[in-house]
Amino acid sequence: GESVGLHLPTLSVQEGDNSIINCAYSNSASDYFIWYKQESGKGPQFIIDIRSNMDKRQGQRVTVLLNKTVKHLSLQIAATQPGDSAVYFCAETINNAGNMLTFGGGTRLMVKP
Amino acid sequence: DAGVTQSPTHLIKTRGQHVTLRCSPISGHKSVSWYQQVLGQGPQFIFQYYEKEERGRGNFPDRFSARQFPNYSSELNVNALLLGDSALYLCASSPMGGNEKLFFGSGTQLSVL
Repeated sequence: GESVGLHLPTLSVQEGDNSIINCAYSNSASDYFIWYKQESGKGPQFIIDIRSNMDKRQGQRVTVLLNKTVKHLSLQIAATQPGDSAVYFCAETINNAGNMLTFGGGTRLMVKP
Repeated sequence: DAGVTQSPTHLIKTRGQHVTLRCSPISGHKSVSWYQQVLGQGPQFIFQYYEKEERGRGNFPDRFSARQFPNYSSELNVNALLLGDSALYLCASSPMGGNEKLFFGSGTQLSVL
């Protein structure tokens, strides 16, 4: 079946640097994408979402970019902080799939002080 | 406001037993979804319920069942437990069950021995 994947399983960055986490998706019908952050022992925490009629969306210190041509999604974190250390998942769904999200395998972000 | 709450937080069972996991959605949310997260992987969709009706089902055997109550809380039942059912079971809620933000609980960690 269709799935969402990530290029890098682990990303290590220096505190204060910007982080970029990438995600490739294969279902061209997907029209809603979400990034989640998961800390150890906790459930996934919503970070930011984007719909397919947009190619960029910004939040507080985070930006999501969507390139539908190459089916690529990225999460940019500005001025990465130690508290950003976690596993990040991208997830996708299609319009009539309700809450049925397809998650990727996750990228672990490690922030070095 | 309370987030999505799940009980119990941890559970140990033996093969062949059954288990019931419980979830209370965020107040005002009518949709509840269940996900299974195996260590080192992204969550996998099991069920979605909206207004007490099953809206979606993932690729899980019939040993897995769920229901939603009039107060929108939900139970996930797993019969004839297998070692491979050991995982973190996540409950998520959303207001209307469509393509919208999905809020996760901290999960129930199930260990099958």
